[in-house]
Amino acid sequence: TQLLEQSPQFLSIQEGENLTVYCNSSSVFSSLQWYRQEPGEGPVLLVTVVTGGEVKKLKRLTFQFGDARKDSSLHITAAQPGDTGLYLCAGIGIQGAQKLVFGQGTRLTINP
Amino acid sequence: EAGVTQSPTHLIKTRGQQATLRCSPISGHTSVYWYQQALGLGLQFLLWYDEGEERNRGNFPPRFSGRQFPNYSSELNVNALELEDSALYLCASSSRAGVGTDTQYFGPGTRLTVL
Repeated sequence: TQLLEQSPQFLSIQEGENLTVYCNSSSVFSSLQWYRQEPGEGPVLLVTVVTGGEVKKLKRLTFQFGDARKDSSLHITAAQPGDTGLYLCAGIGIQGAQKLVFGQGTRLTINP
Repeated sequence: EAGVTQSPTHLIKTRGQQATLRCSPISGHTSVYWYQQALGLGLQFLLWYDEGEERNRGNFPPRFSGRQFPNYSSELNVNALELEDSALYLCASSSRAGVGTDTQYFGPGTRLTVL
């Protein structure tokens, strides 16, 4: 069974600070996705990383896929209150995107 | 273009009852996925339907079942409800089943509470 461990589970920081969320597994994934979920809504896809070592940037968010394709990180620079939400990583196994394996999520709170 | 829609928004049942949750995918999408998101946990994969057939299911007991209709909408049925079935049930759809990194688009979910 493929599992994804996300850390930290909860993070509360001040506006302007930087933060990193980690997503780790002992399994290899063909690719990894990061989602953000707001209260009362479903998760929304932020990015998909496919190649080992790949780095993608989305404004102040930087996503990295580990060289061995077993882990990923999300780094937010100069966090803003609008970044508050639940961040989820999801792994896509070799069988394709039919069965995403999700981490437990990181609940991020940015205080003004 | 309308996104994935789910109904009802909230559902309250008692132990032993049955619950039926509904999902309409994005127009043109043939695959529908169901996930359970219990409080404090990530999403757990429940079922995948494509072209009217169940293609895969997660580690859930048989009392979790569903179907996909000719118009690609889907319903999830949970029989003999237990307290631990209380969760947010999310439906997602995608356009090309079985293709690499095809994106799943999620609906807002149905909050099921079992008393």
